[in-house]
Amino acid sequence: GESVGLHLPTLSVQEGDNSIINCAYSNSASDYFIWYKQESGKGPQFIIDIRSNMDKRQGQRVTVLLNKTVKHLSLQIAATQPGDSAVYFCAENTPLPNQGAQKLVFGQGTRLTINP
Amino acid sequence: KAGVTQTPRYLIKTRGQQVTLSCSPISGHRSVSWYQQTPGQGLQFLFEYFSETQRNKGNFPGRFSGRQFSNSRSEMNVSTLELGDSALYLCASSLEPGSTDTQYFGPGTRLTVL
Repeated sequence: GESVGLHLPTLSVQEGDNSIINCAYSNSASDYFIWYKQESGKGPQFIIDIRSNMDKRQGQRVTVLLNKTVKHLSLQIAATQPGDSAVYFCAENTPLPNQGAQKLVFGQGTRLTINP
Repeated sequence: KAGVTQTPRYLIKTRGQQVTLSCSPISGHRSVSWYQQTPGQGLQFLFEYFSETQRNKGNFPGRFSGRQFSNSRSEMNVSTLELGDSALYLCASSLEPGSTDTQYFGPGTRLTVL
């Protein structure tokens, strides 16, 4: 498969344990945040999102926490499974100055590996 | 409902050539964005199209261009290819532009410039 990043931070967890992936974002004006999962040879896949008026959102086996004070975002995956192995990206929806538009700015990504 | 499709999936070109990549969004989605993904720079925004108009553009040289058709399908073009243009080019679609809607990605086109 294709490698999406050669020098990514890596998180290794035991199968069945919980995983926590962290992300620092840059723009305090960002109002929408998304976590994506990218498996080898595929495009990023939407996992969960959160708007800036919330600090926590839960999905199926995943939870996203947003701390606007320190501009920090985390993704918690419960009971990690082998199929969770992938690169995880956070993205912030950032307003473009003087354009009245926004763009998604992605973090560098974290590679999650699952130990059997 | 079919997802975002991109063609071709793989492409090999030589320096100085030009290339055109195609993206078909999810049915009903009218906004299409393009990204470049490389190991060194990660995922970087190229441009976004909505209603056949470029809404905003990232920090890429003028060799990178795009367009959108009335059926929301989009193409991007890179002229005078350089070795550094080798990357995975990703297309994402959403119902509307901006922060109100999630972007869904295609599988990407892997471009190799020799």
